[in-house]
Amino acid sequence: AQTVTQSQPEMSVQEAETVTLSCTYDTSESDYYLFWYKQPPSRQMILVIRQEAYKQQNATENRFSVNFQKAAKSFSLKISDSQLGDAAMYFCACQETSGSRLTFGEGTQLTVNP
Amino acid sequence: ETGVTQTPRHLVMGMTNKKSLKCEQHLGHNAMYWYKQSAKKPLELMFVYNFKEQTENNSVPSRFSPECPNSSHLFLHLHTLQPEDSALYLCASSQEGTSLLEETQYFGPGTRLLVL
Repeated sequence: AQTVTQSQPEMSVQEAETVTLSCTYDTSESDYYLFWYKQPPSRQMILVIRQEAYKQQNATENRFSVNFQKAAKSFSLKISDSQLGDAAMYFCACQETSGSRLTFGEGTQLTVNP
Repeated sequence: ETGVTQTPRHLVMGMTNKKSLKCEQHLGHNAMYWYKQSAKKPLELMFVYNFKEQTENNSVPSRFSPECPNSSHLFLHLHTLQPEDSALYLCASSQEGTSLLEETQYFGPGTRLLVL
């Protein structure tokens, strides 16, 4: 069984600055996928970034990047040049390639201060 | 605009009512999912359908009854619910395959359900 842990229930950042959200996971599989989703007040769950576990290179999507440490089972999200629209609940998730089950962490509420 | 739509967006029902939630995906996917999101809890997977066949039922009470008539539509029929079933119900879809691109799940906007 997979588990995903987000140890920061809340984070805040000043507009234009950088923030890092932490995520650790546990899985018995050697290959799996990792995701970050954001959920703004509208409650729409939006894909932010994704990573395949067998790829060493960290994924990047514009201002969003990850620090994937496979041995440590860590998958943190870095948001650069934070914008007011980045304010949301951020969920880390893990999916084993052998099945469809997507396991979510408890989320980190990010506040962006002007 | 999302490729996954859900109706209604909000629903209030009594414990003796029967209602249905609808999900439709316009992405050409062949797998669909129901999730429950309660306050202060992680998203919980309820049901998984692949090619219209239910492949997972995550110990969901029988008062929740899913239906998947085709790969584009998914329903969740509700009857004799309890107040603790009040939550946001999210639908998602993906394409069963062997790549990260295919297996990424895309979510609808959710139905906020309140059971009185």
